[in-house]
Amino acid sequence: DVKVTQSSRYLVKRTGEKVFLECVQDMDHENMFWYRQDPGLGLRLIYFSYDVKMKEKGDIPEGYSVSREKKERFSLILESASTNQTSMYLCASNPSYGLGSIYDSPLHFGNGTRLTVT
Amino acid sequence: AQSVAQPEDQVNVAEGNPLTVKCTYSVSGNPYLFWYVQYPNRGLQFLLKYITGDNLVKGSYGFEAEFNKSQTSFHLKKPSALVSDSALYFCAACSGAGSYQLTFGKGTKLSVIP
Repeated sequence: DVKVTQSSRYLVKRTGEKVFLECVQDMDHENMFWYRQDPGLGLRLIYFSYDVKMKEKGDIPEGYSVSREKKERFSLILESASTNQTSMYLCASNPSYGLGSIYDSPLHFGNGTRLTVT
Repeated sequence: AQSVAQPEDQVNVAEGNPLTVKCTYSVSGNPYLFWYVQYPNRGLQFLLKYITGDNLVKGSYGFEAEFNKSQTSFHLKKPSALVSDSALYFCAACSGAGSYQLTFGKGTKLSVIP
């Protein structure tokens, strides 16, 4: 079974702090994604990466950055945390089948990190 | 802009009865369509997908979904609901090959009553 591991289940940070959310997958997947999940809004894509050191903005990248130095690890960085970034953050990965879409194969999700910024 | 609508925030069904969770989409081109399920305090799990082929797609745990192009719908169904099916269900869509945008619906909470 594919395992996507998010390093923290719960995090509480203060406004203005720099926050790192870590995600590791163990199946050599090319693609990795960061979403945030808010009640009534579903999932919204923050950033994704289709290869090491490659990244693309999603729907809501403002206030976030990412890093992918190794294939198995994809980090989400909140440069200066704000209260409106309080949310559930979900990491996902999938393999690339080269058929024309990064969504050719289903996403495998981690269990999420619930971040509270006070 | 593409969109996915799940018109019901909550669906209640008695155990053993058939269930339907509705989804309509608006994407350009030939859509890729997905259903995911989320159990409490967990990430999302893949249930099934439609990319091409037969309009009726069968997935995990006895779920199926029917792609209806004319109605732009992809409703999730199960003939006989289990209490363990109680969870949050998400429909997602993208515009197929070359697409970098996968849009999720807001989710439907399914409660199966014993």
